[in-house]
Amino acid sequence: QVQLQESGPGLVKPSETLSLTCTVSGGSISSYYWSWIRQSPEKGLEWIGQIYYSGSTNYNPSLKSRVTISVDTSKNQFSLNLNSVTAADTAVYFCARDRSSGYSGSWDQWGQGTLVTVSS
Amino acid sequence: AIQMTQSPSSFSASTGDRVNITCRASQGISSYLAWYQQKPGKAPKLLIYAASTLQSGVPSRFSGSGSGTDFTLTISCLQSEDFATYYCQQYYSYPYTFGQGTKVEIK
Repeated sequence: QVQLQESGPGLVKPSETLSLTCTVSGGSISSYYWSWIRQSPEKGLEWIGQIYYSGSTNYNPSLKSRVTISVDTSKNQFSLNLNSVTAADTAVYFCARDRSSGYSGSWDQWGQGTLVTVSS
Repeated sequence: AIQMTQSPSSFSASTGDRVNITCRASQGISSYLAWYQQKPGKAPKLLIYAASTLQSGVPSRFSGSGSGTDFTLTISCLQSEDFATYYCQQYYSYPYTFGQGTKVEIK
């Protein structure tokens, strides 16, 4: 059973960069799409973007100018960078795997989520 | 972006009840719809994909229906472990979007 685990700072200062990593264990990162999703009381669940193991990406237009998602297949990890953060970026951040290899759409494997607070 | 609207936002029900949660898309999404269950402090759990296909391991009391713009999640006989918040999500086009959630509470 594949497991996902988010890691990174829980507190980020305004205008700085939020950086998170998702480590995949119990399975290979190959042949799947991998997403970042966040959840806040204000915005609910929000899809941030995705990366295929080959490196191709798709981003939410609402965040596209500030987001970079990358993958390191040698470490079975993928990462999220969100720059110029504000308090509106405070949320629980989840990493997730698409249900079917080679197909993007719904997510059957999720990390436990990590709370990131933006505050000085 | 496609907007997903769920109704109701919350309601109370009793164990054994049959419950329906509806989800409407702002434009047609064929059957590219998933349903998730989320409990406090946990990640969402995939229940149904392709509008009506039950995810492996999910109890058969859960079912989904609909296509185009109108969809329904049905729980045929509510169990104590089903009290949670439910979300629909479209994956017809980017950006993928979620409904605002429906909280099912104990009456």
